[in-house]
Amino acid sequence: GAGVSQSPSNKVTEKGKDVELRCDPISGHTALYWYRQRLGQGLEFLIYFQGNSAPDKSGLPSDRFSAERTGESVSTLTIQRTQQEDSAVYLCASSFIPLSSGRSKNIQYFGAGTRLSVL
Amino acid sequence: TQLLEQSPQFLSIQEGENLTVYCNSSSVFSSLQWYRQEPGEGPVLLVTVVTGGEVKKLKRLTFQFGDARKDSSLHITAAQPGDTGLYLCAGARETSGSRLTFGEGTQLTVNP
Repeated sequence: GAGVSQSPSNKVTEKGKDVELRCDPISGHTALYWYRQRLGQGLEFLIYFQGNSAPDKSGLPSDRFSAERTGESVSTLTIQRTQQEDSAVYLCASSFIPLSSGRSKNIQYFGAGTRLSVL
Repeated sequence: TQLLEQSPQFLSIQEGENLTVYCNSSSVFSSLQWYRQEPGEGPVLLVTVVTGGEVKKLKRLTFQFGDARKDSSLHITAAQPGDTGLYLCAGARETSGSRLTFGEGTQLTVNP
């Protein structure tokens, strides 16, 4: 597709249930990022994929959060046993990081996000 | 600890006024980006600055990267209602690989 696509756009779930959020990056983009954004705030880094490996997963807030990526394609972010504090917009971004990027500009293109509400 | 401090957090002005948003840090960044986000959408990149002291202009928007690459500013001249949105700065550090660190954002409202 032309841009980063995320689904669902909205998700309402009950506390304790598991949820899966999906991200389709821009075709050919090697890097994929997940962020969390609470209402009116900046973006909180969660995890970064280069290809299908995750060199940096330091932002995942707890072991209830996990993510995987298939090759240089779709990624899913899974939140198990959801809590009310997990309510936020989850944003995905992708970028193309060439092997010899030097001081890479790392231009990230964002999807519209999934708004998660945990009741 | 917030690595990138944005100020002000909220700004409400009248159409035609000028404004400046600041992004400050005690850390050095290899590059710094400014994004604009509208409700229900993801952030959209406005500009990337890489060189200390660099100034970039995008129509009525002027972006500056500090000489020491620790701070940046966004100046908007003659603001218009269409400029309303959340402005986010984001920095890349060579020690953090490809990870971007975002500021908390500045919510700008331009009233007609």
